[in-house]
Amino acid sequence: ILNVEQSPQSLHVQEGDSTNFTCSFPSSNFYALHWYRWETAKSPEALFVMTLNGDEKKKGRISATLNTKEGYSYLYIKGSQPEDSATYLCAFIGSSNTGKLIFGQGTTLQVKP
Amino acid sequence: KAGVTQTPRYLIKTRGQQVTLSCSPISGHRSVSWYQQTPGQGLQFLFEYFSETQRNKGNFPGRFSGRQFSNSRSEMNVSTLELGDSALYLCASSSHRGRDIEQYFGPGTRLTVT
Repeated sequence: ILNVEQSPQSLHVQEGDSTNFTCSFPSSNFYALHWYRWETAKSPEALFVMTLNGDEKKKGRISATLNTKEGYSYLYIKGSQPEDSATYLCAFIGSSNTGKLIFGQGTTLQVKP
Repeated sequence: KAGVTQTPRYLIKTRGQQVTLSCSPISGHRSVSWYQQTPGQGLQFLFEYFSETQRNKGNFPGRFSGRQFSNSRSEMNVSTLELGDSALYLCASSSHRGRDIEQYFGPGTRLTVT
């Protein structure tokens, strides 16, 4: 059974704080790692799709890094804003099942103004 | 471009009944995946369809089934409903199968089994 772990489970920060989350996944048979952002009452929205060891991707104040050899990815948010409040999910795709995303439990971020 | 749509959005059923949920992917997308989210659980993969063929299946009992039509619309069916089937069911579509292809999610169907 493949395990994708995310930490912390939840996070409360003040507006302007920078924060980061971790996603751990199996280091063998890696195919891709996705990050999604899920706001309450909305659909999950893709942030990043990462495929190569050492990948670094950035979208505005949000960035992500990938280490496939040790099986982890970090998501960073610089200068958190209240609108960043959401659950952030990572999803692992193994090489044998390219259409199957295995999601972590998510990290729920609450940014206080 | 219209997003992924799911119908119905909310559904209440009784134990023992069956239910069919529908998903219309983004125009041109050929891959549709289904996920279940229950309280306390992350998104659990149910199955993936690509060009009318089931390509992947998660660890769910045979009561959960699905299909995809030639226009890429997909349906999932749950027979003999149990209380534990109460969940948010999400479908997601992507243009094709590949490692760098993101999935686009629909708003979900909230199923309550009483």
